[in-house]
Amino acid sequence: AQSVAQPEDQVNVAEGNPLTVKCTYSVSGNPYLFWYVQYPNRGLQFLLKYITGDNLVKGSYGFEAEFNKSQTSFHLKKPSALVSDSALYFCAVRLSLDSSYKLIFGSGTRLLVRP
Amino acid sequence: SAVISQKPSRDICQRGTSLTIQCQVDSQVTMMFWYRQQPGQSLTLIATANQGSEATYESGFVIDKFPISRPNLTFSTLTVSNMSPEDSSIYLCSVGQGPYEQYFGPGTRLTVT
Repeated sequence: AQSVAQPEDQVNVAEGNPLTVKCTYSVSGNPYLFWYVQYPNRGLQFLLKYITGDNLVKGSYGFEAEFNKSQTSFHLKKPSALVSDSALYFCAVRLSLDSSYKLIFGSGTRLLVRP
Repeated sequence: SAVISQKPSRDICQRGTSLTIQCQVDSQVTMMFWYRQQPGQSLTLIATANQGSEATYESGFVIDKFPISRPNLTFSTLTVSNMSPEDSSIYLCSVGQGPYEQYFGPGTRLTVT
């Protein structure tokens, strides 16, 4: 069965420091991987995706993520955190052979960037 | 990306009643989905809303409890029937656009008392 794990409920970082939000996945086959962000009282916003090709993908708001097939990971990164990055982040996976668009979400990681 | 709106944005309902949530998209889309996000939890797919046919429900969700309509390629409704406090959640619709991405509406925050 497909699954996504976000091992950290919360990540705390100081503004200006680099941040990493971790995600590992388990699928039988090639995955499509996604990151979404949810601000308070808002829906989910798409940040970035990995489909194929370059393992480092760049997305919105200066975020990037690195796909590591051997470690089955897709960690979200940003070189310099902003207080406005504080939000709830979700990693999601979809099987490349699944035409239904069905996403499996991780449990979410709350990012808190302190001034 | 598609612009997705939901109505109502929030509601407080009494147990035993039903609420219908509307999802409107500003462009025609083939795939529409309904998700539930329980307090402090992740998102769980309820069903895929298929235009012109019955919705496809995920394990643990049934049509009698969550009837879905999809009359055209820009609109869908989800009804939460015979509500109980356990139905208190955020309900989100989403659309598949392009070959990969899925975009989400702002959500409907439901509280059942």
